[in-house]
Amino acid sequence: GESVGLHLPTLSVQEGDNSIINCAYSNSASDYFIWYKQESGKGPQFIIDIRSNMDKRQGQRVTVLLNKTVKHLSLQIAATQPGDSAVYFCAENINQAGTALIFGKGTTLSVSS
Amino acid sequence: SAVISQKPSRDICQRGTSLTIQCQVDSQVTMMFWYRQQPGQSLTLIATANQGSEATYESGFVIDKFPISRPNLTFSTLTVSNMSPEDSSIYLCSVRGAARSSYEQYFGPGTRLTVT
Repeated sequence: GESVGLHLPTLSVQEGDNSIINCAYSNSASDYFIWYKQESGKGPQFIIDIRSNMDKRQGQRVTVLLNKTVKHLSLQIAATQPGDSAVYFCAENINQAGTALIFGKGTTLSVSS
Repeated sequence: SAVISQKPSRDICQRGTSLTIQCQVDSQVTMMFWYRQQPGQSLTLIATANQGSEATYESGFVIDKFPISRPNLTFSTLTVSNMSPEDSSIYLCSVRGAARSSYEQYFGPGTRLTVT
């Protein structure tokens, strides 16, 4: 698999590899995080979320890791497929009532077969 | 999750005109938001649409330029007024409070606006 230590705007992987997309969030008061997938011409699609009282959460082929010490979030995609090609965004909820998510910079994942 | 639709899906408008974008949700939601996504960029929050009262705008966005309505718990409109080419973007409606977790936030398909 390929990992990205710091946020990079693009990530290219081979089909079947594991992908790791990183995100640094801004506010230590953030209590909830979501990863979105956005395909060309579409709105962002909810992938997986995690609350700040957890450090890991798994879904189908995806895992989100949260490191509150360094304010870092990552999305791991197992056995990456061409259909995973998209832009991935992390978003944080700052712990204030009635606030919307704040989005990070996206990472474009390209999967070649 | 809620099903969110937006009209129109795309439009090409002349500078100086205004466009109203509609957002319809298939179930009642607690909160509705409007975001802008400029070409190749991330999402920026424009405002929170409040039912029955004035929207809450983020820094850099004003009501005269982006008037918003939210008459009920399933519908909202965003108007882009006196458009210029710099307003060319994707405008996205987003909702929260339709799922068991009040934090989960979902997006509509977006309205792709081009101003000439």
